[in-house]
Amino acid sequence: GESVGLHLPTLSVQEGDNSIINCAYSNSASDYFIWYKQESGKGPQFIIDIRSNMDKRQGQRVTVLLNKTVKHLSLQIAATQPGDSAVYFCAEKNYGQNFVFGPGTRLSVLP
Amino acid sequence: KAGVTQTPRYLIKTRGQQVTLSCSPISGHRSVSWYQQTPGQGLQFLFEYFSETQRNKGNFPGRFSGRQFSNSRSEMNVSTLELGDSALYLCASSSSGQGAGDTQYFGPGTRLTVL
Repeated sequence: GESVGLHLPTLSVQEGDNSIINCAYSNSASDYFIWYKQESGKGPQFIIDIRSNMDKRQGQRVTVLLNKTVKHLSLQIAATQPGDSAVYFCAEKNYGQNFVFGPGTRLSVLP
Repeated sequence: KAGVTQTPRYLIKTRGQQVTLSCSPISGHRSVSWYQQTPGQGLQFLFEYFSETQRNKGNFPGRFSGRQFSNSRSEMNVSTLELGDSALYLCASSSSGQGAGDTQYFGPGTRLTVL
């Protein structure tokens, strides 16, 4: 049948500002979450992960927040740079199951 | 450590043909998963292999198949290609593919174009 094209949400931010990318996940039993970055023509690149027994984890310039009550995940990027322009995916996983990916958000960094 | 490698990087085939894609996981990783990525459907799970056995399977027709070898390298095959099979095929590996914290790492993908 005919497939409906995915409309990727786009977030545009000024270089140097902070970015917040949101993701609603579907399975309340998911116990592991990953954020990936995908640049054009490349495979997804691991950014940061978090387990369900945590609500916050920090990396270099990135922070992931997990709100299990509302099944929401966010990725914060500090001091966004042009090299951060990409599509960002969240992925959730329940033990023994495969990862399930969100539709992605396109981040566009404006000079 | 070397990352996940996939060959070939690009393929052009015609309808009705078949194709085999190859994936070498990160050394020590025993779980290999395959995904199809298209602009219309996003990232969709095809199947996962662990210790030469298919452990999970997505919702794809039987034309899509795979296997894993004793060295954890994996291949996927698509028979009787259709135009809609044009996509980026991604392979990802992880240590065991089971518990929380077992991170999955992706290869660069194989871009398949079906004419």
